[in-house]
Amino acid sequence: SQQGEEDPQALSIQEGENATMNCSYKTSINNLQWYRQNSGRGLVHLILIRSNEREKHSGRLRVTLDTSKKSSSLLITASRAADTASYFCATGSGGSYIPTFGRGTSLIVHP
Amino acid sequence: EAQVTQNPRYLITVTGKKLTVTCSQNMNHEYMSWYRQDPGLGLRQIYYSMNVEVTDKGDVPEGYKVSRKEKRNFPLILESPSPNQTSLYFCASKGVSTEAFFGQGTRLTVV
Repeated sequence: SQQGEEDPQALSIQEGENATMNCSYKTSINNLQWYRQNSGRGLVHLILIRSNEREKHSGRLRVTLDTSKKSSSLLITASRAADTASYFCATGSGGSYIPTFGRGTSLIVHP
Repeated sequence: EAQVTQNPRYLITVTGKKLTVTCSQNMNHEYMSWYRQDPGLGLRQIYYSMNVEVTDKGDVPEGYKVSRKEKRNFPLILESPSPNQTSLYFCASKGVSTEAFFGQGTRLTVV
């Protein structure tokens, strides 16, 4: 199964700071997705980056992908307390499979 | 509204009493999957289905069964639940070229 591993496991920052979390994976991919999970709730898709893209933006989110290093990063700029959640990456291959997930990065943003 | 619906949201049951957690999606997605989420272990895939009558084991299938008789439904069956199956369960569905959509979760306690 395709599985991403997120790093760090936990991140605690102040409101207004930027938050960066990383994802590493093992096999070649077609795309990589980032999801967010509020405590005890289902995951919500944030952004997808394809293997031929290097960077993608969506609002305050910036995702990079380095296929040579098999890694991706998610940057949340000007963080808010409402960004407090767990963040997961997942990889896709062939556009077909349900993604599998790692343990996630738990982000706490202090007001 | 596009959604994945799981029922029940909360369930407390006794060891050995068969139970079914239902999952239904209204997006005509081909792919559906069940995950369990435990502290420190992230989301682990239990079973997934590529289409009607096509199911396969994920990473932690022991003690679970699934069926996919119709495209929209993917129930999770615990024939003889045990306390180590106490967990938070998520169902997800995905189209060929869409992201994954998650249900609200089912918190199961087996005593």
